Amino acid sequence: EIVLTQSPGTLSLSPGERATLSCRTSQAVSSNFLHWYQQKPGQAPRLLIYGASSRATGIPDRFSGSGSGTDFTLTISRLEPEDFAVYYCQKSGSFGPGTKVDIK
Amino acid sequence: EVELVESGGGLVQPGGSLRLSCAASGFTFHNYWMTWVRQAPGKGLELVTNVNQDGSQTYYMASVRGRFTTSRDNAKNSAYLEVNNVRVEDTAVYYCARDSGSTRLDFWGQGALVTVSS
Repeated sequence: EIVLTQSPGTLSLSPGERATLSCRTSQAVSSNFLHWYQQKPGQAPRLLIYGASSRATGIPDRFSGSGSGTDFTLTISRLEPEDFAVYYCQKSGSFGPGTKVDIK
Repeated sequence: EVELVESGGGLVQPGGSLRLSCAASGFTFHNYWMTWVRQAPGKGLELVTNVNQDGSQTYYMASVRGRFTTSRDNAKNSAYLEVNNVRVEDTAVYYCARDSGSTRLDFWGQGALVTVSS
């Protein structure tokens, strides 16, 4: 079973700053199967990025994904107040533990 | 508009059973895999099970295999999760989600809370 590791566990930033979130897989995976989700308190997760780098419908272009093999990155170019949330990466049946982006 | 609505959650005693339902609308239900994901209080996401378009293929995470059963009724545009012999550690919000391919979960329901307690 593939294990996903996300870092950092918590990222404390201010609105307007750039956020860089990492997801590492225990073995190389196809980018087609690597996805990112955002979850706010009390809400269901929302698909942000699929196939490592494609934005889901309605997702602002400040969100971008990149990476291949075992190393993947979610970047938020300029944090908006509504972006403070928990972010999960997923590969097939496995989710990472999440990165919480909170307000500094 | 795609919509997924879970129902059937509640309080159940250890060893008991419960059936969750997921009513789908706004898309051609029989064209998609359907997935159940759970989230224990304050914890991360776990993909519990999924079922293919006609119900002939299923996957279960190891800790629920043999206790949970996933199914669907395409005539009713609904997916189901039967949870049996529940344990305290099964306490979680259970979400149903549409799989648009490559386990890309592009639409989610609001979740149904299952609490296992005596």
